Amino acid sequence: GQNIDQPTEMTATEGAIVQINCTYQTSGFNGLFWYQQHAGEAPTFLSYNVLDGLEEKGRFSSFLSRSKGYSYLLLKELQMKDSASYLCAVRDNQAGTALIFGKGTTLSVSS
Amino acid sequence: EAQVTQNPRYLITVTGKKLTVTCSQNMNHEYMSWYRQDPGLGLRQIYYSMNVEVTDKGDVPEGYKVSRKEKRNFPLILESPSPNQTSLYFCASSLSVGGGDTQYFGPGTRLTVL
Repeated sequence: GQNIDQPTEMTATEGAIVQINCTYQTSGFNGLFWYQQHAGEAPTFLSYNVLDGLEEKGRFSSFLSRSKGYSYLLLKELQMKDSASYLCAVRDNQAGTALIFGKGTTLSVSS
Repeated sequence: EAQVTQNPRYLITVTGKKLTVTCSQNMNHEYMSWYRQDPGLGLRQIYYSMNVEVTDKGDVPEGYKVSRKEKRNFPLILESPSPNQTSLYFCASSLSVGGGDTQYFGPGTRLTVL
């Protein structure tokens, strides 16, 4: 079966670094996505990993280890506007659909 | 501008009154999908479509219907809405279901069924 786990909530302060973890179990892994979603708004694409290693994009980086079924999203120099939910989603070749989403991690950034 | 549009954005209705939420994309995407999002449950897929006239059930299809007569449109139909279908609904599309093709989401439709 398929299973994606993320922490439900995290808190951090402005200027800090936070790491949001995601573990997954799928039959036919074919890539992992991270999305950001502000309350009441649509999810927006942040990053995509299909090979092991770190992908850096400005203040955000995403890491993947396929052998461990593990990914993390690293947010640096946190800003208040980074308060949002972060969704981990896995592409599974055998699922018959595009993406399987985790339940999301709600990040609260305080001053 | 490349986008996914949904209408209406907000809807309050009563039990049993049929309704349709429209979804349209202008990116010539093959794949389209409907999700509902509820607190603590995350995004759950209702139906998806790989191409015109090809649709399939997601995780929570009961009480919903879809159609894909044209590539750009993928309406969600609630024949007899019930209060447990009160939710935030998102339509999404992607070029394909392979590689790094990300899904683009519509702005959402907040539905309340009384």
